Amino acid sequence: KQEVTQIPAALSVPEGENLVLNCSFTDSAIYNLQWFRQDPGKGLTSLLLIQSSQREQTSGRLNASLDKSSGRSTLYIAASQPGDSATYLCAARTDKLIFGTGTRLQVFP
Amino acid sequence: GAVVSQHPSWVICKSGTSVKIECRSLDFQATTMFWYRQFPKQSLMLMATSNEGSKATYEQGVEKDKFLINHASLTLSTLTVTSAHPEDSSFYICSATLSDYGYTFGSGTRLTVV
Repeated sequence: KQEVTQIPAALSVPEGENLVLNCSFTDSAIYNLQWFRQDPGKGLTSLLLIQSSQREQTSGRLNASLDKSSGRSTLYIAASQPGDSATYLCAARTDKLIFGTGTRLQVFP
Repeated sequence: GAVVSQHPSWVICKSGTSVKIECRSLDFQATTMFWYRQFPKQSLMLMATSNEGSKATYEQGVEKDKFLINHASLTLSTLTVTSAHPEDSSFYICSATLSDYGYTFGSGTRLTVV
C-alpha cells in the first residue's frame, strides 16, 4: 500500500528565503508525481507534474525533482513571498492518486 | 483545458437528510473520477473511484451504502451522502484525469451537518 509522507509538517520563514519541501513515497512504481497548493478552505491548484521518466520540472520560482528509485521528490521554492503561504501537497500516482500529509508554509514579511 | 466543476461549494443540512454533490468535467470526457474527503488540517483521503457506466470502487473503510456514487455520463459523477450525521461534516473534493496531464480537481464542497 502506497504511503506518502511530507517533511516538514509546518514551516515559517521570512520573505526572500529559498525553501525545500520534501516528499517521500513507499512504492516506487509510480506513473507520475504531482505537487499541489491548497489555500485555506479552498480546492487544489496543480503546481507541477513530473512523469516517472523525468527528473525535474520547473515553473517560475518553483522547481520539483523526482528520484523514483529512492522514493523521493522535492519542491524548491526560490525567493519566497508572503503570497506563497499555503499548504503544499505532493501526490504519487499508481492506479490511484495518494496524497502526502502536507506541509503548511507561512512566509512572513 | 481539463476543468472540473464541483457544486455546491458549501452546504448545511440537518442530521438524517441526504446531500448530493455534483462533479462535472467541463471540457473533456472523464471515464473515471475520484472522490476525496479532507478533515481540517489533514490531507486528502481517497474515498472511491467512480467509473462511468459501472459501480464505483470504494476504499477500505468507506461505507458504500452511506456514500452513494453515480457516474451516469462521461462528464458527470455525483456523490450522495445519505442520512448525514455531524461526523460526516467535512470537505469533499472530486477529481478527474486527462491522460498524462495529471489530475484536475474541483473546488470542493464543504458539508456541515447540524
